[in-house]
Amino acid sequence: NAGVTQTPKFRVLKTGQSMTLLCAQDMNHEYMYWYRQDPGMGLRLIHYSVGEGTTAKGEVPDGYNVSRLKKQNFLLGLESAAPSQTSVYFCASSYDKPYNEQFFGPGTRLTVL
Amino acid sequence: TQLLEQSPQFLSIQEGENLTVYCNSSSVFSSLQWYRQEPGEGPVLLVTVVTGGEVKKLKRLTFQFGDARKDSSLHITAAQPGDTGLYLCAGDGWDYGQNFVFGPGTRLSVLP
Repeated sequence: NAGVTQTPKFRVLKTGQSMTLLCAQDMNHEYMYWYRQDPGMGLRLIHYSVGEGTTAKGEVPDGYNVSRLKKQNFLLGLESAAPSQTSVYFCASSYDKPYNEQFFGPGTRLTVL
Repeated sequence: TQLLEQSPQFLSIQEGENLTVYCNSSSVFSSLQWYRQEPGEGPVLLVTVVTGGEVKKLKRLTFQFGDARKDSSLHITAAQPGDTGLYLCAGDGWDYGQNFVFGPGTRLSVLP
């Protein structure tokens, strides 16, 4: 089992460009999450999903959109990237109720110039 | 909004020393988790504490959840270089209408 995988691992964007980050899990987990990690601020929840076809806003959702068309995939989109979105993005998934043990992917380092 | 604070922010110790790191909040959480994160990787769960006053041991690591479920501590006995990493606490605020909240972390360096 690969666990949670994320693509790409690194990306550099110019302000105003768009991109999609892909998260895939092979553990048949119901719940999936997108976080961003910035120095000194821990991880902050952007959006999450409690099942296929459902999404909900987290703590810092502005500037991001998500989709969960298939149970195993959770996509994070940036429609018009801004320098403030420079961060490391982590996807996670969990099997049981929200916030049961979360399994994290390796992260995507995004720089917006 | 529920917030978690962690102290110290940085800790550098010699192999074999003991240490304690703290996770504090003014809010109550249903449970609290501790994760360890190594450079370039995602966090990995170490333990979940659920009951106020609960103590859990994982080899040389001892975790305690405060009686009021607002704070927690992680004690490491005889630290080893392999313990080096970023230690994150995370509180489950779901039952209180909040999200899952992470603290900013304690960065531990254990020198051989």
